[in-house]
Amino acid sequence: DAKTTQPNSMESNEEEPVHLPCNHSTISGTDYIHWYRQLPSQGPEYVIHGLTSNVNNRMASLAIAEDRKSSTLILHRATLRDAAVYYCILRDRPGGATNKLIFGTGTLLAVQP
Amino acid sequence: NAGVTQTPKFRVLKTGQSMTLLCAQDMNHEYMYWYRQDPGMGLRLIHYSVGEGTTAKGEVPDGYNVSRLKKQNFLLGLESAAPSQTSVYFCASSYPGQLNSPLHFGNGTRLTVT
Repeated sequence: DAKTTQPNSMESNEEEPVHLPCNHSTISGTDYIHWYRQLPSQGPEYVIHGLTSNVNNRMASLAIAEDRKSSTLILHRATLRDAAVYYCILRDRPGGATNKLIFGTGTLLAVQP
Repeated sequence: NAGVTQTPKFRVLKTGQSMTLLCAQDMNHEYMYWYRQDPGMGLRLIHYSVGEGTTAKGEVPDGYNVSRLKKQNFLLGLESAAPSQTSVYFCASSYPGQLNSPLHFGNGTRLTVT
């Protein structure tokens, strides 16, 4: 499985945008980029995923570099409830064996009031 | 809609004891997974199942067994617990791979082995 590299931690102020980077230089052409987050004392929750084009949903936006070797998760207005560990994960194409996710250590996002 | 439910939430075992962790999902998902999470680390896949009656090994399967007798349930067993199995265990479920669907996680079982 291709690896991802994320900063260990980041800080943001409440109500400001947050850009969480992820490098995945060995990504294959069929790997999807998934983001999950884990709030304190909870299981991970799905945030967003994409393949080549930028994606938006109610939680966040995902900006994917043209060469697909990096991506950025964008939280448009951080709230205190967004403080969590954010995981960037590469996942096999649909129809790949098992749908399983291989987690790294993620980025711990702290949000200051 | 309960989603993924894990029982128990907490457990303390002595070395050598056995126990079973239960995961139940009500979303009619085909795939189910067991992960463990240790301090400062991401989640590591223990075992997974792509359908009723099937199981497969993940990254760290040693010391664990699993069973998927019913589609909605996935059991994780520790036959002889060791302190190295002290961890938080998460169960997840999803639709099959061709839908590239997200995984839905439970809130974990915190296990301490003394």
